[in-house]
Amino acid sequence: GAGVSQSPSNKVTEKGKDVELRCDPISGHTALYWYRQRLGQGLEFLIYFQGNSAPDKSGLPSDRFSAERTGESVSTLTIQRTQQEDSAVYLCASSPRDPLLHGYTFGSGTRLTVV
Amino acid sequence: AQSVTQPDIHITVSEGASLELRCNYSYGATPYLFWYVQSPGQGLQLLLKYFSGDTLVQGIKGFEAEFKRSQSSFNLRKPSVHWSDAAEYFCAVTLRGTGRRALTFGSGTRLQVQP
Repeated sequence: GAGVSQSPSNKVTEKGKDVELRCDPISGHTALYWYRQRLGQGLEFLIYFQGNSAPDKSGLPSDRFSAERTGESVSTLTIQRTQQEDSAVYLCASSPRDPLLHGYTFGSGTRLTVV
Repeated sequence: AQSVTQPDIHITVSEGASLELRCNYSYGATPYLFWYVQSPGQGLQLLLKYFSGDTLVQGIKGFEAEFKRSQSSFNLRKPSVHWSDAAEYFCAVTLRGTGRRALTFGSGTRLQVQP
């Protein structure tokens, strides 16, 4: 597609439930990033995928968070046993191999509300 | 500690007035510097970036930013604000020499434009 697509755009879930968020990057973009944006705050880096290399998971806040990506296609971010502090907008960005040369393209995000 | 600081959480200006949004960084070496804008319901859009060279950089939508090494700052400016500029603005950095190129964001400045 023309841009980075994220689904769902909004998700309300009960505390303790698992949720799965999806990101469709731009075709051909080897780099993919997940960020979390809490209300009134900047974006926090969560995880980075680059092609078939092992992902950089250094930003994941707890072991309840995990993400997968098959090759250079779709990525899913899974949050298990959701907590209220997980409420945030989750943003995905993709880029050709070196984003400094080609820039990052961000999706519109998934707004997650844990009640 | 390494950080990106945007000291102004919220700024209100009148349409046609000039604008300056502040950004300071605290890193051992000069990082790559970016300004992004986030409009409601839309993804982050790159306004401009600084890697090296001329310290005054021009961006889209009439924005410019000046890098000042002595002040560790990268302030965003616009000579005459339009109502459509109302949005949230984020300063971001990524360190030179790191492979993953993940961005570190400031907490953002929300701009309100009065008629």
